[in-house]
Amino acid sequence: GESVGLHLPTLSVQEGDNSIINCAYSNSASDYFIWYKQESGKGPQFIIDIRSNMDKRQGQRVTVLLNKTVKHLSLQIAATQPGDSAVYFCAESNTGANSKLTFGKGITLSVRP
Amino acid sequence: GAGVSQSPRYKVAKRGQDVALRCDPISGHVSLFWYQQALGQGPEFLTYFQNEAQLDKSGLPSDRFFAERPEGSVSTLKIQRTQQEDSAVYLCASSPSINYGYTFGSGTRLTVV
Repeated sequence: GESVGLHLPTLSVQEGDNSIINCAYSNSASDYFIWYKQESGKGPQFIIDIRSNMDKRQGQRVTVLLNKTVKHLSLQIAATQPGDSAVYFCAESNTGANSKLTFGKGITLSVRP
Repeated sequence: GAGVSQSPRYKVAKRGQDVALRCDPISGHVSLFWYQQALGQGPEFLTYFQNEAQLDKSGLPSDRFFAERPEGSVSTLKIQRTQQEDSAVYLCASSPSINYGYTFGSGTRLTVV
């Protein structure tokens, strides 16, 4: 079937290694950020979110880091598994202005067995 | 239901035909969003509802696109006189409150021939 990740940058990692996926966001007024995972034929799946009053948030095997000074967001995945292979999008929102999410371009994560 | 449900899953329309795409959000979710995702791209915002009120329709690409949520639950995205450039996946997302944990459906893939 068609690939969500067609023409997107690809990050290839070895199974068991840690992955770091980076995102540069555009709006300095954004104060809410979400990472999504999208597999082919499916909608984006929520992974983790962070608000601008924090610089780090941890979930199960995932950590999000926010650097507001340089408008940079990263997603760290520990002990990457084949099931983590997907396209990853960061999304930003300016909650004071409206509620819409603006998505980044996406990165394809490919896990080598 | 357990998640956001969208129907139909796939739709093929002849150019000039009208289509209606349905979204059943998670029960009780106040916020509902429609996004358009072209192949290999991130989702792009179309419109936003809070209950039955359409608070933001700035992303609708033309007056051929119309969305409604008359009773504050199910929403329909209607596209009149479809054009080839309307071919995309149309995603619906819902959230229990503004700017919190959006859950996406699997989308409707529209192909205009």
